[in-house]
Amino acid sequence: GNSVTQMEGPVTLSEEAFLTINCTYTATGYPSLFWYVQYPGEGLQLLLKATKADDKGSNKGFEATYRKETTSFHLEKGSVQVSDSAVYFCALNQFYFGTGTSLTVIP
Amino acid sequence: EAGVAQSPRYKIIEKRQSVAFWCNPISGHATLYWYQQILGQGPKLLIQFQNNGVVDDSQLPKDRFSAERLKGVDSTLKIQPAKLEDSAVYLCASSHGAGGTYNSPLHFGNGTRLTVT
Repeated sequence: GNSVTQMEGPVTLSEEAFLTINCTYTATGYPSLFWYVQYPGEGLQLLLKATKADDKGSNKGFEATYRKETTSFHLEKGSVQVSDSAVYFCALNQFYFGTGTSLTVIP
Repeated sequence: EAGVAQSPRYKIIEKRQSVAFWCNPISGHATLYWYQQILGQGPKLLIQFQNNGVVDDSQLPKDRFSAERLKGVDSTLKIQPAKLEDSAVYLCASSHGAGGTYNSPLHFGNGTRLTVT
């Protein structure tokens, strides 16, 4: 069946550190992959997406590459800011969400 | 554009009572979703509507949950009777549906936090 496995949190980083949040998936067919973000006190919002293998989604300095060979869609950012503190969710199509990874960036 | 509107923001009820949540999607969005998000977990899809028809309700506990989307716009989700394990945030989302619903990003409302005591 379809499922998403997401890196457990919480993650705490210093400002300007490199971020990786791992996401792997199990799917039949050719799913679309998404990262959603939930900032404190706000609703879930789309961060980036990729709809086919080898696509790279990017937004706000975040990137993720759709890797069919490793069934992965890891989220990366080269230099995190305090304002990136949020909960990040990996999703397969619109139906399967990971458990979320809480990120706290400290000055 | 106006976002997805949900009400109420918070609701506290006793077990075995009933409760209803309301959602108004982004104008022009054909597809509407209801999710249940239990604390510490990701959203779990309950039901998907395309216009006013149900596309997928396989994970909706139909013995106690019901949902409708009148005229293909607003939607209500009802729980009757509520159980303790229904305590969660209920999220409504909509998508344009262009290019196939699997590719269209979701636009979420702020959710309704339900506490069942």
